[in-house]
Amino acid sequence: GAGVSQSPSNKVTEKGKDVELRCDPISGHTALYWYRQSLGQGLEFLIYFQGNSAPDKSGLPSDRFSAERTGGSVSTLTIQRTQQEDSAVYLCASSSRVGDYEQYFGPGTRLTVT
Amino acid sequence: AQTVTQSQPEMSVQEAETVTLSCTYDTSESDYYLFWYKQPPSRQMILVIRQEAYKQQNATENRFSVNFQKAAKSFSLKISDSQLGDAAMYFCAYRRPRSGAGSYQLTFGKGTKLSVIP
Repeated sequence: GAGVSQSPSNKVTEKGKDVELRCDPISGHTALYWYRQSLGQGLEFLIYFQGNSAPDKSGLPSDRFSAERTGGSVSTLTIQRTQQEDSAVYLCASSSRVGDYEQYFGPGTRLTVT
Repeated sequence: AQTVTQSQPEMSVQEAETVTLSCTYDTSESDYYLFWYKQPPSRQMILVIRQEAYKQQNATENRFSVNFQKAAKSFSLKISDSQLGDAAMYFCAYRRPRSGAGSYQLTFGKGTKLSVIP
C-alpha cells in the first residue's frame, strides 16, 4: 500500500502563529513517531504513539508542542505560538507493532517561522 | 542515555569506488539494534541496512555492508561500487532492545553528507 504521507510539504508561518502538521501512517501500523530535524540539533525524537496506550511525550521540547492521534491512525502535531527556533523539518514514521524494528518515514514537513 | 557519533560531516567518493562511513555509539545495554538510513534531497529517510547486536555476523545488503565491532561500539558502513544515486545524507541510528517498557525511538547521529564524483 501507500507509504507514510505528511502534509503540508512546506509551511511558512509568522512568529507567534499556531501551526498544525499532519501525518498519515501506513495502514495497519499501530506505532507512530514524530521526529524533528534541525540544523543545530540534528534528528530528535519528539513523541511516540502505540495503539491506545498513553503516548510517550518525553521528547517534546516545550508545552507549546502537542500531538494527538485520532482513531489510532492519523496524527496531528500542533505547535502553538511558533518561534523562529521551531524552524525545522518535522518527520513522521510508523511501524507495524511494538518491537518491529523498521520504522517507515514520511517525506516530512519543512516549517519556516519568519 | 545513548549517544551516536558520526565524526565525518562530509565525505566524497569516485563513482565505482568504495567508501566507508564511520559511526560510534555509547550504550550500557547489551542487546540493541543499529541502523544506517539514507536521506536524499527528497527528505525521505530510507533504511539501508540494520544490525542486531546479538548477531556476530556483519549485515550485508547488496553493495552495502557493515563492520560491527561490539566491544569497540563501532558500526561503520561500507558502500562498494559507488553510484551517483548513492549521493545523500547518511545517518547512523541506535534503537533499544524490543523487550522492556517504553517507546522505541531511534537515536540518530548528526549525519554524513556523501558526494559521488562522476
